[in-house]
Amino acid sequence: GENVEQHPSTLSVQEGDSAVIKCTYSDSASNYFPWYKQELGKRPQLIIDIRSNVGEKKDQRIAVTLNKTAKHFSLHITETQPEDSAVYFCAAPRGGSGGSNYKLTFGKGTLLTVNP
Amino acid sequence: GAVVSQHPSRVICKSGTSVKIECRSLDFQATTMFWYRQFPKQSLMLMATSNEGSKATYEQGVEKDKFLINHASLTLSTLTVTSAHPEDSSFYICSARLPQPRFPYSGNTIYFGEGSWLTVV
Repeated sequence: GENVEQHPSTLSVQEGDSAVIKCTYSDSASNYFPWYKQELGKRPQLIIDIRSNVGEKKDQRIAVTLNKTAKHFSLHITETQPEDSAVYFCAAPRGGSGGSNYKLTFGKGTLLTVNP
Repeated sequence: GAVVSQHPSRVICKSGTSVKIECRSLDFQATTMFWYRQFPKQSLMLMATSNEGSKATYEQGVEKDKFLINHASLTLSTLTVTSAHPEDSSFYICSARLPQPRFPYSGNTIYFGEGSWLTVV
């Protein structure tokens, strides 16, 4: 099965600074890596995802990088704002991403606090 | 993003009773839906995979007779917690897979419902 490790568990930054959250995965067949943001008591919201045929993807202040050789991927948030404060989860599918293997294994989450 | 709706958002039930939670994909057809459970300050734990027209597949350690899943149509999956006990109190979230790419995401994206807070008293 897939094992996803996420670090750090908590991260506190000043408004305007950058935040980086890192995840490692164990299944070399995995080829799809989403990141979710969850505010307290609410649903996880997909914020960015990446497939293994690219090494980096960016959407405004958010970027994800992927190193398949090392089996790790990272979320980068630049120019952080207080509204970025939330729990962020990385995920990876078990056994790749095809067929019935859309079951996501989630990291344990990172509580990001952006201090004004 | 694609819309997945879950109902009810909060429910309180008495021990020993059953409660049903609905998960609907509003603007796409979902052959596969997933049910997760989340305890406070913890990650999402997959309980089962709901497959339209066939039996759900359950994760190890999840009792299929306690957590009944029905996926009768391409837009609706239900989770019924039977003979509920206080330890079943949790946040239950469904998700559905969008098979086609929808910009800016890469396809086969998983979208979550709003979640349901279950309290068993």
